[in-house]
Amino acid sequence: DAGVTQSPTHLIKTRGQHVTLRCSPISGHKSVSWYQQVLGQGPQFIFQYYEKEERGRGNFPDRFSARQFPNYSSELNVNALLLGDSALYLCASSPGTGVGNQPQHFGDGTRLSIL
Amino acid sequence: SQKIEQNSEALNIQEGKTATLTCNYTNYSPAYLQWYRQDPGRGPVFLLLIRENEKEKRKERLKVTFDTTLKQSLFHITASQPADSATYLCALDRISSGSARQLTFGSGTQLTVLP
Repeated sequence: DAGVTQSPTHLIKTRGQHVTLRCSPISGHKSVSWYQQVLGQGPQFIFQYYEKEERGRGNFPDRFSARQFPNYSSELNVNALLLGDSALYLCASSPGTGVGNQPQHFGDGTRLSIL
Repeated sequence: SQKIEQNSEALNIQEGKTATLTCNYTNYSPAYLQWYRQDPGRGPVFLLLIRENEKEKRKERLKVTFDTTLKQSLFHITASQPADSATYLCALDRISSGSARQLTFGSGTQLTVLP
């Protein structure tokens, strides 16, 4: 079975632009979470979606938004990009609504570079 | 404020020895704790999950302990191999804003097993 897939794998943008990152969860998984990983740090929680509803939000500005579609795939949108948004953006899926009590299956991420 | 520390940013050990990685946390009362492995340019891969009422969990050459009194988890790899070289992340389950649960990651320990 396919794992979590993310697209694109790499992206270069300039300050002020916006970006859309995409994620397809493992088949049968209804929960998708998004994380930002800056070089040398652990992933930082951005959002969790379950059954198309936002279930959790981390400490990120309103420039960050996401949604989940009926097929459980998800998009992360970031507006008005800043240099500090340069990072690896990871998507993780799990079967149910829980996060901490279930293994999270991560994709290999989208490497976003802001010039 | 809540904090997770994985001491030793980098750990070098000789092949065949036991690697012990530490995860300490403050101001948390996590119900679950997870350990992940991350290779360069890849997403984290789930290894083990331990519940707050479990003292120890094992999987093949891996062992995790969870001491809620000391607020510490230890991660052991016995009979280490060069293929075990990677960054290891601990992650704690906690309740985020809006009462949703989220995973909070430490910054990781980079393990190198020398042949």
